[in-house]
Amino acid sequence: EAGVAQSPRYKIIEKRQSVAFWCNPISGHATLYWYQQILGQGPKLLIQFQNNGVVDDSQLPKDRFSAERLKGVDSTLKIQPAKLEDSAVYLCASSSLSGVWETQYFGPGTRLLVL
Amino acid sequence: DAKTTQPNSMESNEEEPVHLPCNHSTISGTDYIHWYRQLPSQGPEYVIHGLTSNVNNRMASLAIAEDRKSSTLILHRATLRDAAVYYCILERPDGLTFGKGTHLIIQP
Repeated sequence: EAGVAQSPRYKIIEKRQSVAFWCNPISGHATLYWYQQILGQGPKLLIQFQNNGVVDDSQLPKDRFSAERLKGVDSTLKIQPAKLEDSAVYLCASSSLSGVWETQYFGPGTRLLVL
Repeated sequence: DAKTTQPNSMESNEEEPVHLPCNHSTISGTDYIHWYRQLPSQGPEYVIHGLTSNVNNRMASLAIAEDRKSSTLILHRATLRDAAVYYCILERPDGLTFGKGTHLIIQP
């Protein structure tokens, strides 16, 4: 079974530029998550999708971050414009169902450096 | 928010058992205890989870205190590949909230 795929693996941009990350979840997984992991901290949930609908985006900085999952499969996360404090690893995860007791499977992440 | 408390780091020798503690004194009756680990430069991976009873799987064992206010992840025979950050998480309907975890160092 193929795992969660993410691209690019690394990205370096200057502040105020835009950047987009792509995630392909495990086939058949209805729930998709985007996390932000700052160096030395645990991952923080940014947004959760159930199929192509948003379940929770309470911690997404909506003035600069946006995410979509148009066909209920792949997802993109965009930052526009980027700030220095956005330097982090962006992790995508998926699970077969939403809510408790469902194991989340994580991708390798995209490491973003904002200069 | 139900929070967990873990030591920042622990060190163990290869091929010895490792006991990783976690305190969760504010746990509610329906909170499952999950453990994930994150190897260097990788995303987190599921290790084990439980509610009240002790649990075993091929990766580890989870011992849950009778009052559920603490738990211990047990790696029966640590290898160098077990060096990672281990997260103890209380899962609720709004998902997983990761803390800083325990950085496990394995000495050869």
